[in-house]
Amino acid sequence: DTAVSQTPKYLVTQMGNDKSIKCEQNLGHDTMYWYKQDSKKFLKIMFSYNNKELIINETVPNRFSPKSPDKAHLNLHINSLELGDSAVYFCASSHRLAGGAGELFFGEGSRLTVL
Amino acid sequence: SQQGEEDPQALSIQEGENATMNCSYKTSINNLQWYRQNSGRGLVHLILIRSNEREKHSGRLRVTLDTSKKSSSLLITASRAADTASYFCATDAKGGGNKLTFGTGTQLKVEL
Repeated sequence: DTAVSQTPKYLVTQMGNDKSIKCEQNLGHDTMYWYKQDSKKFLKIMFSYNNKELIINETVPNRFSPKSPDKAHLNLHINSLELGDSAVYFCASSHRLAGGAGELFFGEGSRLTVL
Repeated sequence: SQQGEEDPQALSIQEGENATMNCSYKTSINNLQWYRQNSGRGLVHLILIRSNEREKHSGRLRVTLDTSKKSSSLLITASRAADTASYFCATDAKGGGNKLTFGTGTQLKVEL
């Protein structure tokens, strides 16, 4: 049973296209995240949702739009893809802890290549 | 920014040796976490250490935290080839909204 699953695992597309990545977690967590990992392995948070409410929205182009239909799902839609969007996108989930961020459970990543 | 700096960027050791990785950060934290990432895979949580803790152990892993120096270290004892991976520290800054900010990572290679 995969705890945090993302689809697709690989995505190759042309500049200007629109694409979506889906994420689901079966851990019963109330908080989900999208992180972007670039070619140098630098991992940067993009968005976080808690119980379907957007709580973290980093400086990300508005071509990126997250959507959380319920607390077990968090999708990422990207419009008008650019070369610089090529990266590995990771979904993660956690419980919110009193007094600090909890342990993150990551999906296996979705490698996006924009040509 | 709170991003942690990890040192060294890359480390190559022989199986059986110990590996030490360091992480420095900039602002006060609630907790600091260490993660491992195998090539082509997602990150896996290793240890969480709270700001009022100084040392924590888990199996062959030992983490220390010095909040006065804003630094942490991860020690892997008796390393194995299977420990080959990238290791990241992540900080939860006080007042940061429970957001984990990841460091730049250390690539560890354990050779037979």
